[in-house]
Amino acid sequence: DQQVKQNSPSLSVQEGRISILNCDYTNSMFDYFLWYKKYPAEGPTFLISISSIKDKNEDGRFTVFLNKSAKHLSLHIVPSQPGDSAVYFCAAYIQGAQKLVFGQGTRLTINP
Amino acid sequence: KAGVTQTPRYLIKTRGQQVTLSCSPISGHRSVSWYQQTPGQGLQFLFEYFSETQRNKGNFPGRFSGRQFSNSRSEMNVSTLELGDSALYLCASSLGPDWTFGSGTRLTVV
Repeated sequence: DQQVKQNSPSLSVQEGRISILNCDYTNSMFDYFLWYKKYPAEGPTFLISISSIKDKNEDGRFTVFLNKSAKHLSLHIVPSQPGDSAVYFCAAYIQGAQKLVFGQGTRLTINP
Repeated sequence: KAGVTQTPRYLIKTRGQQVTLSCSPISGHRSVSWYQQTPGQGLQFLFEYFSETQRNKGNFPGRFSGRQFSNSRSEMNVSTLELGDSALYLCASSLGPDWTFGSGTRLTVV
């Protein structure tokens, strides 16, 4: 039962353009969402999060959008830079459950 | 400030052996959780500890266990290792809903 899904295993974007990574979830009890960036053989690095009471959160080049009715969230990276090439995971959380449920990840490649 | 520290970084064990992995959380973080990452299953939750008490456990066999000490440091143990236990084991600590991960321990079972 995959409660958090990232349907695109990979995404290729030209440097300077916008990268949009998508994530869908099925459990309406999730009330907090996070995006992580991961390089091989390293732990995930926290990027940005959003509470279910908001529909947008912005931090520098990163913006997360949440559409609760569609159970969908997206991460926008503008402008995309070569250092953004990594695997991106979305994760969902139920306050009090103390565990993150991760999607399968999307490999983002930024081309010069 | 220091991040989440996991030791060792790499480990090779033989089937049937047991292994203990260590995690030191960020200073002041009392909640520690463990995850297993494999190519086929992605990142899967193992368990979470707070103030030396296990509050939540994932869907893993009893061979996987853990504990937390009074200084919030945590260990996880895997007994009777199987080839399928080869994975990257990640520890994370938190004060609130944002979790900070360590670099992980890469366990290879041969």
